[in-house]
Amino acid sequence: AQTVTQSQPEMSVQEAETVTLSCTYDTSESDYYLFWYKQPPSRQMILVIRQEAYKQQNATENRFSVNFQKAAKSFSLKISDSQLGDAAMYFCAYRGPNTGNQFYFGTGTSLTVIP
Amino acid sequence: DAGVIQSPRHEVTEMGQEVTLRCKPISGHNSLFWYRQTMMRGLELLIYFNNNVPIDDSGMPEDRFSAKMPNASFSTLKIQPSEPRDSAVYFCASSLRGGQPQHFGDGTRLSIL
Repeated sequence: AQTVTQSQPEMSVQEAETVTLSCTYDTSESDYYLFWYKQPPSRQMILVIRQEAYKQQNATENRFSVNFQKAAKSFSLKISDSQLGDAAMYFCAYRGPNTGNQFYFGTGTSLTVIP
Repeated sequence: DAGVIQSPRHEVTEMGQEVTLRCKPISGHNSLFWYRQTMMRGLELLIYFNNNVPIDDSGMPEDRFSAKMPNASFSTLKIQPSEPRDSAVYFCASSLRGGQPQHFGDGTRLSIL
């Protein structure tokens, strides 16, 4: 089974600053999909960003962008201009190429935004 | 469009009682997932279905847990009998095929006294 590792249980960032959350994964597949999810205190799981492994271009969604390093099997999330509403647990997830494949989640990084 | 709908949102019951959690996936989605989230164990996949067929139930803790998906628009997760250690937030999620993301329901917070 694939494994997803988030080595930072907790991170903090000053409001308006930039923070990067790390994620690495282990797979033998060449084609797959990666995701970042945000879980605020309301406990909703919200999709932040999605990356297709066969695309070299890093995905971006407004203030959120990824640094996808396929050879290194690394998929970090950068949050620019951090806002108080960004405070949440962030989960990295992997999904294989085949229809109906399950998702593999990391253990999460708790992000605190300091005003 | 309606998202994944879970009910109830909160459930408090006594040990030994039967608990049934319900999920309505997004229309057209062909995969459905049940997760359990606790502080100690994080997010755990319990079982997932493709086209209403259970594919992997290796995450189901024990025989007290069962899940069904009688049709494409409804799934249940049942715990019988319930125990205090089953207290957790239970999420249902659905997705389309391939590389599409999962969409999560708001979860059910289950407390077993």
